[in-house]
Amino acid sequence: ETGVTQSPTHLIKTRGQQVTLRCSSQSGHNTVSWYQQALGQGPQFIFQYYREEENGRGNFPPRFSGLQFPNYSSELNVNALELDDSALYLCASSIDGSGNTIYFGEGSWLTVV
Amino acid sequence: GESVGLHLPTLSVQEGDNSIINCAYSNSASDYFIWYKQESGKGPQFIIDIRSNMDKRQGQRVTVLLNKTVKHLSLQIAATQPGDSAVYFCAEKSVTGFQKLVFGTGTRLLVSP
Repeated sequence: ETGVTQSPTHLIKTRGQQVTLRCSSQSGHNTVSWYQQALGQGPQFIFQYYREEENGRGNFPPRFSGLQFPNYSSELNVNALELDDSALYLCASSIDGSGNTIYFGEGSWLTVV
Repeated sequence: GESVGLHLPTLSVQEGDNSIINCAYSNSASDYFIWYKQESGKGPQFIIDIRSNMDKRQGQRVTVLLNKTVKHLSLQIAATQPGDSAVYFCAEKSVTGFQKLVFGTGTRLLVSP
């Protein structure tokens, strides 16, 4: 068990819709990051939140946004969904962003039709 | 650009054999490397990590070797078991202090009884 839980596990959305994915991190883990994993590929970094602020972002458009809450839970929001957004979305957490062990949740499978 | 790649996309071994999974990385400034195991439909599971000031680290049945001269990383699994069957990713961490991990496309390990 990694102590990182994600919800929902699976969901289907229509192109153009919006989606919110949720993550609950291990107690004491103040850094959370989100990854997108397309089928057959490795995870791609979307962004990182530290103490409720985004402090690192990968090559994803602004329609991918997030929030981190005081209790270290977080959300990933995706607006104007596209078919290519279909993927496994992974939440990861660590005590800080400087290289301590990074644990992943089981992910949320998003299918856009 | 940044990339972490794997030499062998699929590795088939017999139960009890030792397995070696290889990985090449391109960012010589990276200082932290992690191996993850990902079973079908699940999130990446931390196996072992190594910092750039080390060239070898051992865990339970696993050993990671780092050769910074040729930018090569390997994961050795001793006495491979059917439960080791999964996709294995090496990941490279940026020195920026973010949680941004750069993953390769993975190596599938198939263990036959």
